[in-house]
Amino acid sequence: AQSVTQLGSHVSVSEGALVLLRCNYSSSVPPYLFWYVQYPNQGLQLLLKYTTGATLVKGINGFEAEFKKSETSFHLTKPSAHMSDAAEYFCAVSNFGNEKLTFGTGTRLTIIP
Amino acid sequence: EAGVVQSPRYKIIEKKQPVAFWCNPISGHNTLYWYRQNLGQGPELLIRYENEEAVDDSQLPKDRFSAERLKGVDSTLKIQPAELGDSAVYLCASSPGRTNTEAFFGQGTRLTVV
Repeated sequence: AQSVTQLGSHVSVSEGALVLLRCNYSSSVPPYLFWYVQYPNQGLQLLLKYTTGATLVKGINGFEAEFKKSETSFHLTKPSAHMSDAAEYFCAVSNFGNEKLTFGTGTRLTIIP
Repeated sequence: EAGVVQSPRYKIIEKKQPVAFWCNPISGHNTLYWYRQNLGQGPELLIRYENEEAVDDSQLPKDRFSAERLKGVDSTLKIQPAELGDSAVYLCASSPGRTNTEAFFGQGTRLTVV
């Protein structure tokens, strides 16, 4: 069975400050990990994904995430927040042979001007 | 390239009425998913298709929900009869297949049951 825990349903940061959204996963097999962003009344857009290889993954819009197996974590970061980053962010896990994406409950990111 | 297309975008129905949602995946994508997203929650898988075969429907409430993917292309999800608790956003997603796990999502259908 797979599961995802996102710590903090709401995160607020000032414009230009570091963004850190936390994600911990549980998987009995090597995981594939994803971060998706959802803007109001929109579908989900992939920010980045980890399958194998390099543990630091760079995505769109300046976001990156690091897979840490020992900590079962896949936290999302961005060095400098922009107003356009305000959205809902979802972490998800799947694995080869089980292409079902299991999502966390999401983190709403608010950017303070 | 066109993305995943869903219709309608919004639907309001009275309880006990039937409703259907339609999804056209990205051309060439063999895998199609239907997810339900309740307010303030992450999406939850209802059913996954590989071509025209439903390979994972364990979370689909089969007493009132049904789905089909004829010819392995577009898909329809139906609820009959709808209940108040079915109010949610229904998301369709597609993926090229098992060698690529990235799923591309449509904009969703927001269902309100009154």
